[in-house]
Amino acid sequence: DFVMTQSPDSLAVSLGERATIKCKSSQTVLYSSNNKNYLGWYQQKPGQPPKLLIYWASTRESGVPDRFSGSGSGTDFTLTISSLQAEDVAVYYCQQYYNIPLTFGGGTKVEIK
Amino acid sequence: EVQLLESGGGLVQPGGSLRLSCAASGFTFSNFAMTWVRQAPGKGLEWVSGVSGRGDRTLYLASVKGRFTISRDNSKNTLYLQMDSLRADDTAVYCCAKGNVDGDYYYMDVWGKGTTVTVSS
Repeated sequence: DFVMTQSPDSLAVSLGERATIKCKSSQTVLYSSNNKNYLGWYQQKPGQPPKLLIYWASTRESGVPDRFSGSGSGTDFTLTISSLQAEDVAVYYCQQYYNIPLTFGGGTKVEIK
Repeated sequence: EVQLLESGGGLVQPGGSLRLSCAASGFTFSNFAMTWVRQAPGKGLEWVSGVSGRGDRTLYLASVKGRFTISRDNSKNTLYLQMDSLRADDTAVYCCAKGNVDGDYYYMDVWGKGTTVTVSS
């Protein structure tokens, strides 16, 4: 199975500051035939289901604010919130869809400092 | 509006069975893979099972294979998860989610709110 390792487990960031979350896959999720990274990011607020933020490692889902961005390739990925807002308090998960079983990272909890 | 609404959760004894349902609306149900993802109390997300658009291809997490059966009724726009031989570690909120394509490898672009399954004596 592909193991997805996120870091840190939690972070506290001041309003308006940058938040950076890392996700590392145990094997590459870059499919060479189409040069796409099979990696998504989700946001889960308390008491709510996950919401898709980013797919193909860097494509923002429709309606997602542009302060959210994804980067990386192969095995190492980053989700950046450029200017943290109060409504961004949540747990963030990465997910690989390159291999079955589909697997998620352990989550990163983002709080306000 | 695209919506997924789960039902069927509840309290069941170890070794018992439950059948979860997920009613879909707002999109052409048969054109997309569907999946079940669970979240144990205080834990992260775990993919459980997926099914192709026509229902002819099913995939399972190793720990539920042989105990859980995923299916769909495209005439009713409904996804199912039959759960047998339930164990305490199956206790979780179970969410259905829509895949972005009809296939095995997809991200989930729409999620239901989930239904709670508690396995306890």
